[in-house]
Amino acid sequence: AQTVTQSQPEMSVQEAETVTLSCTYDTSESDYYLFWYKQPPSRQMILVIRQEAYKQQNATENRFSVNFQKAAKSFSLKISDSQLGDAAMYFCAYRSSGSARQLTFGSGTQLTVLP
Amino acid sequence: NAGVMQNPRHLVRRRGQEARLRCSPMKGHSHVYWYRQLPEEGLKFMVYLQKENIIDESGMPKERFSAEFPKEGPSILRIQQVVRGDSAAYFCASSPPLSTWDTQYFGPGTRLTVL
Repeated sequence: AQTVTQSQPEMSVQEAETVTLSCTYDTSESDYYLFWYKQPPSRQMILVIRQEAYKQQNATENRFSVNFQKAAKSFSLKISDSQLGDAAMYFCAYRSSGSARQLTFGSGTQLTVLP
Repeated sequence: NAGVMQNPRHLVRRRGQEARLRCSPMKGHSHVYWYRQLPEEGLKFMVYLQKENIIDESGMPKERFSAEFPKEGPSILRIQQVVRGDSAAYFCASSPPLSTWDTQYFGPGTRLTVL
């Protein structure tokens, strides 16, 4: 079974600075999908960014980018020019490309943005 | 295009009562997933449904929990004879008919409190 590990329960960053959230996963599959979701205090799960394992190019979405290291099974999220609205719990998630469609989530990293 | 709708947003039940949680997927989405989030934890997969079919219920407790997604109407997660350990946030997600990404879009969740 796949597992997703987020080793940083809490992180903080100064407004306008850059922060990187770590995520590692364990799988025997060669093709899969990886996601970062954000959960602000409203508890709504919001998709931040996604990556296909067979694509070597790292995904980017405006201020959000990932560092995908397939051999190391690492999928970190970089937030540039941090804003107060980025404060949230961030979850890394894995999905198989096979018949199992469910997401496997990490335990989350609580990000605080300091003014 | 309205997002995934869940109701109620908050539900309070006494031990032994039944809880019914509803989820209306995004327009055009035919796949529904239910996840449970216990306090201070990540989301855990429960069940994956398509219209009138349960595709994967490997994460569903064997007793007291059931789910359906009828041809007409919302998906329902039903918890019979609730216990205090059922207190959690229950999230529904939907995705479109099978595509490369099958990105799941989440509803706002239902917070169940069992007294």
